[in-house]
Amino acid sequence: QVQLVESGGGMVQPGRSLRLSCAASGLTFRNYGMHWVRQAPGKGLEWVSFIRHDDSNRWYGDSVKGRFTVSRDNSKNMVFLQINSLRAEDSAVYYCATDRNDHYFDHWGQGTLVTVSS
Amino acid sequence: QSALTQPASVSGSPGQSIAISCTGTSSDLGDYKYVSWYQQHPGKAPKLMIYDASNRPSGVSDRFSGSKSGNTASLTISGLQAEDEANYYCLSYTTTNTRVFGGGTKLTV
Repeated sequence: QVQLVESGGGMVQPGRSLRLSCAASGLTFRNYGMHWVRQAPGKGLEWVSFIRHDDSNRWYGDSVKGRFTVSRDNSKNMVFLQINSLRAEDSAVYYCATDRNDHYFDHWGQGTLVTVSS
Repeated sequence: QSALTQPASVSGSPGQSIAISCTGTSSDLGDYKYVSWYQQHPGKAPKLMIYDASNRPSGVSDRFSGSKSGNTASLTISGLQAEDEANYYCLSYTTTNTRVFGGGTKLTV
């Protein structure tokens, strides 16, 4: 079955950078667009970014535009999220999810926790 | 992009039915039927419950149903069970090809 496993989270100081990874299995990865979604402690879900299956386009939420960069490696079945200039408000669980027809997210990983603190 | 509007909380007794609303604008819900609903239990990843406003994925109970009219979508859960107690989020495609979630609704059974 489809499995998504995020990694790369941890505690990091404000202003530093972090690269999150999401490894996919059980699907033909090159056929799927991929999203990143985050959830701050005790808060709701926030859409972060989307990359098309062939990397032809990338989109970002207003709150992360200019600091976050999504990328993928279809040869390794992985998607990445580069986060620069980390702020306290970036502290959250970050999930990757598969896109279906631009309409919905049908598979989710278990998330990786990022904590920004000095 | 502002979050879609959901009630913060709803509650119901076992066996009853409840509905959760999700209101957007002409830039998201109003223009598309591409609204989906997700269930999230504490400490767990979200789970897809409804897609394209009213379609249920394989394996999701038929007690869950969805609808959409204009700028508002709704998730209805009939025959409430204790296991339905969770947070529920709506999600919409937008005119700029981004996505936007609702603020979330805590369901208490």
